[in-house]
Amino acid sequence: GENVEQHPSTLSVQEGDSAVIKCTYSDSASNYFPWYKQELGKRPQLIIDIRSNVGEKKDQRIAVTLNKTAKHFSLHITETQPEDSAVYFCAAPISGTYKYIFGTGTRLKVLA
Amino acid sequence: SQTIHQWPATLVQPVGSPLSLECTVEGTSNPNLYWYRQAAGRGLQLLFYSVGIGQISSEVPQNLSASRPQDRQFILSSKKLLLSDSGFYLCAWSGQLNTGELFFGEGSRLTVL
Repeated sequence: GENVEQHPSTLSVQEGDSAVIKCTYSDSASNYFPWYKQELGKRPQLIIDIRSNVGEKKDQRIAVTLNKTAKHFSLHITETQPEDSAVYFCAAPISGTYKYIFGTGTRLKVLA
Repeated sequence: SQTIHQWPATLVQPVGSPLSLECTVEGTSNPNLYWYRQAAGRGLQLLFYSVGIGQISSEVPQNLSASRPQDRQFILSSKKLLLSDSGFYLCAWSGQLNTGELFFGEGSRLTVL
């Protein structure tokens, strides 16, 4: 079946450094790729998303890049801050269905 | 604006007892509705989704069930809880054919003892 692989599972960076999380998807017809941030004990919240007709999207310190040929997309966080510490999930839809598949999550720790 | 409400926020239930979690969406019509479960420190597992009243698709065989008695109401139930049912349950909705944002409720933390 379709799946989404996410790496790394944990990531520690020093405050001010950049963090990159990568996801690979299998459904070549997927056309929407969101990233969610989940703080401890809270619900996942969308932080950025990208559609298949663009290769990159930025919103202040966060950006997402998409490589449709290779079927992977990445989350980039620059100038990391302690409040960026959370679990990040990527997701991709299964084309022709109403389902979204999530990656297994990346626990990001920003060390002060 | 659209909002999603989910309750109860936390509950502790003994093994073998029933369960009912409720989710309602406001400010939109005919949403796609989802139930996800998240075990401690783990990812999001899709349990059920619904594209309309009375239409339920099950993703994982288990002792849970879902119902959609009204357009914007989604209920997760169990007749007899197992220890393995413990987790963080998240209701979510989307407004399109999975090409738009998925909005999550605040979650229900279930502990089965």
